[in-house]
Amino acid sequence: AQRVTQPEKLLSVFKGAPVELKCNYSYSGSPELFWYVQYSRQRLQLLLRHISRESIKGFTADLNKGETSFHLKKPFAQEEDSAMYYCALKGGGSYIPTFGRGTSLIVHP
Amino acid sequence: EPEVTQTPSHQVTQMGQEVILRCVPISNHLYFYWYRQILGQKVEFLVSFYNNEISEKSEIFDDQFSVERPDGSNFTLKIRSTKLEDSAMYFCASSGTGNNSPLHFGNGTRLTVT
Repeated sequence: AQRVTQPEKLLSVFKGAPVELKCNYSYSGSPELFWYVQYSRQRLQLLLRHISRESIKGFTADLNKGETSFHLKKPFAQEEDSAMYYCALKGGGSYIPTFGRGTSLIVHP
Repeated sequence: EPEVTQTPSHQVTQMGQEVILRCVPISNHLYFYWYRQILGQKVEFLVSFYNNEISEKSEIFDDQFSVERPDGSNFTLKIRSTKLEDSAMYFCASSGTGNNSPLHFGNGTRLTVT
């Protein structure tokens, strides 16, 4: 079975501070991992995926198979980063992502 | 940029009533999904639909739920006899082909069962 754990329900930081949103997964094979974001009153949308190794809006995430983690990081948080962040995993032959419960990021001015 | 659209944005219904939640996926997408999110909880997978049939469903998707693609554009979720615990945000999503195709979500329908 595949599972995604986001241990923090809420993360509160000040503008300019580094941010790390934690995501751990449980899956025996090679997973595909994603971060989705939901800004206030907007739809869930893809932020980034591990396979692309990209940086979007200053965010990066590295897949660490040894620690089974895919933490989302940004060195300097901005107020507009305030949103709900969901880690998601696709494993095996399934194309259906499993979502974590989400972490609410609040960036204070 | 094309979007997934969902209607209505908010639906209030009485326990035991039937509701139909509507979605228009992105036109060239082939995979369609329904997820739900009970307030304060995680986004949960309900069902996926491909080639005019259900391809996967979760334990949540029991006999009171059904999905349909009645025409070439709409994708509906029907809840036959709503219960209080069906109150949630229901998200429709679609994706193209390929394992790396991300899901494109609609804005969701907030269902309130009283």
